[in-house]
Amino acid sequence: EPEVTQTPSHQVTQMGQEVILRCVPISNHLYFYWYRQILGQKVEFLVSFYNNEISEKSEIFDDQFSVERPDGSNFTLKIRSTKLEDSAMYFCASSEQGTNYGYTFGSGTRLTVV
Amino acid sequence: GNSVTQMEGPVTLSEEAFLTINCTYTATGYPSLFWYVQYPGEGLQLLLKATKADDKGSNKGFEATYRKETTSFHLEKGSVQVSDSAVYFCALSRNSGNTPLVFGKGTRLSVIA
Repeated sequence: EPEVTQTPSHQVTQMGQEVILRCVPISNHLYFYWYRQILGQKVEFLVSFYNNEISEKSEIFDDQFSVERPDGSNFTLKIRSTKLEDSAMYFCASSEQGTNYGYTFGSGTRLTVV
Repeated sequence: GNSVTQMEGPVTLSEEAFLTINCTYTATGYPSLFWYVQYPGEGLQLLLKATKADDKGSNKGFEATYRKETTSFHLEKGSVQVSDSAVYFCALSRNSGNTPLVFGKGTRLSVIA
């Protein structure tokens, strides 16, 4: 069964450093998403991406965050200057036809900011 | 705003027991409702969904009925197996276009043989 692949599975970074989280969505999917889950809290929406542009973003997704689909297969989330409160599990997801048809999620990248 | 509340876990059941995980929601309009499941070490997977009132979603023996009058979407299974041990997430989306999911906190289910 097709999978969404995320790398790395775990990243430790120092506060203030830039991190790039990588995702390879399912090849025929058109909609891409990033969500995150801070330990013990709810899974929260960050951003959705369609047709090479951001379709919607949450209040969490401020100027420190950006997304890119650089080569037609990868979908990346960049955090420019990490803060302690960015420590979370970050999930990438893709969908063939949008939210109401269901997503396929990756297994996540655990980001630890120290 | 839109929100989802689901029962606190963990829930521990013996194999073949009946499962209910409660989920209620607050939303404007008529959202779509989902249950996602996360098995250990894996990403979230869509388990079932319902897009309008009185719809019943079902998959792998799990069922949930969209109850508008009680704003609920409780997950049920008649006879759980050890392999059902996972974290279950209730979620909703505004029923217009490609809108984001709003998740509950998740309920961890452990099934023991």
